[in-house]
Amino acid sequence: EVQLLESGGDLVQPGGSLRLSCAASGFTFSSYAMSWVRQAPGKGLEWVAGISGSRGTTYYADSVKGRFTISRDNSKNTLYLQMNNLRAEDTAVYYCAKDQGEWLLSWFHPWGQGTLVTVSS
Amino acid sequence: DIVMTQSPDSLAVSLGERATINCKSSQSVSHSSNNRNYLGWYQQKPGQPPKLLIYWASTRASGVPDRFSGSGSGTDFTLTISSLQAEDVAVYYCHQYLSTPPTFGGGTKVEIK
Repeated sequence: EVQLLESGGDLVQPGGSLRLSCAASGFTFSSYAMSWVRQAPGKGLEWVAGISGSRGTTYYADSVKGRFTISRDNSKNTLYLQMNNLRAEDTAVYYCAKDQGEWLLSWFHPWGQGTLVTVSS
Repeated sequence: DIVMTQSPDSLAVSLGERATINCKSSQSVSHSSNNRNYLGWYQQKPGQPPKLLIYWASTRASGVPDRFSGSGSGTDFTLTISSLQAEDVAVYYCHQYLSTPPTFGGGTKVEIK
């Protein structure tokens, strides 16, 4: 069974940093692209960043470009999101989600349970 | 970026009745090389992550009841729940994965009348 487990969410001050992790199991992690998708409280879904499987090519939403870095450690079956210079508008539940192939641009399935990031002073 | 617009924002349907959710994309999400529509639908219940219902606009994901169906092509798509059950109360999102950034509709909340 494919499982995704996020961790690392916390309360952080504006301008601060945080690193999220997503531990994957049940599939050949290096063969699949992965994405981070966030959901602000009471709002819809926003794709944040994605990374291809073995090559690790990265893609970002304009709203986080230059502040967030997505990476992966295929030896540890773990996806990361390094978030710097956090803003109040980054407050959200962050989900990791599995793509269906090596490259981005497929449906997301499954999703992790999410981890809450709150940016506030 | 491709903008996805869902309608209505919410709808209330009686148990056993049909629910219809619309999704319109700002440009076609059909790929010229294979004529596939790069469009998915998700269901999100309170406190839970989104769950995949439909991909390629009309293919049900594994384990999804057949009362859920997707249709449409190009820029206009529909998710239909043929006979609403109590467990279908949720927010539903469409998602285009033709181009980066992948984008989602704003969501449609389905409730029981």
